[in-house]
Amino acid sequence: QSALTQPRSVSGSPGQSVTISCTGTSSDVGGHNYVSWYQQHPGKAPKLMIYDVSKRPSGVPDRFSGSKSGNTASLTISGLRAEDETDYYCCSYAGSYTWVFGGGTKLTVL
Amino acid sequence: EVQLVESGGGLVQPGGSLRLSCAASGFTFSNFAMHWVRQAPGKGLEYVSAISTNGGGTYYANSVKGRFTISRDNSKNTLYLQMGSLRAEDMAVYYCARYSDSSYGYWGQGTLVTVSS
Repeated sequence: QSALTQPRSVSGSPGQSVTISCTGTSSDVGGHNYVSWYQQHPGKAPKLMIYDVSKRPSGVPDRFSGSKSGNTASLTISGLRAEDETDYYCCSYAGSYTWVFGGGTKLTVL
Repeated sequence: EVQLVESGGGLVQPGGSLRLSCAASGFTFSNFAMHWVRQAPGKGLEYVSAISTNGGGTYYANSVKGRFTISRDNSKNTLYLQMGSLRAEDMAVYYCARYSDSSYGYWGQGTLVTVSS
């Protein structure tokens, strides 16, 4: 199972919006509405930010939103803050009890 | 409060074995599927293995199939990962994670496995 494709890095200024893409295939992202997104600060465990493509867990700010079109899912962070600067990973169910992650995207807040 | 605490990591020689444990608390362990996810140094996350609520279903990434065995003891609220025939590419921080709503809502702090001679 190949990893989902994410941009290595994205950047934005405080207050702006950024979008991180996550491209897979019809076997994973395109075939299931089970895409989730994780935020991971250095040396820490990942934190769930979005599940089922666009649902936000309790406690996650509504500045974080998710969507999907075809084989590509996206995470949008609006009203960028300094504390958003870190790594983000997408994950998709890929069928037959397998899951696949993206390679990760480093977000820089300028 | 949900807590997942991994243990058992350490240094092992190539070809060796290691058993990881994940002690769960703060929720009804037997109601949730559990997964292991790993992260090699400086790299991304990788799904390793999953187990159903009663342990009757076990699933593996192709990269570890035949070498790793996942199991659970619901009476002890503990998840295990028996790792064998370890390779340099298995070196990583191993996280246990609770799986629900098609996602990993809770993670442990991770345990580092180092494979080196």
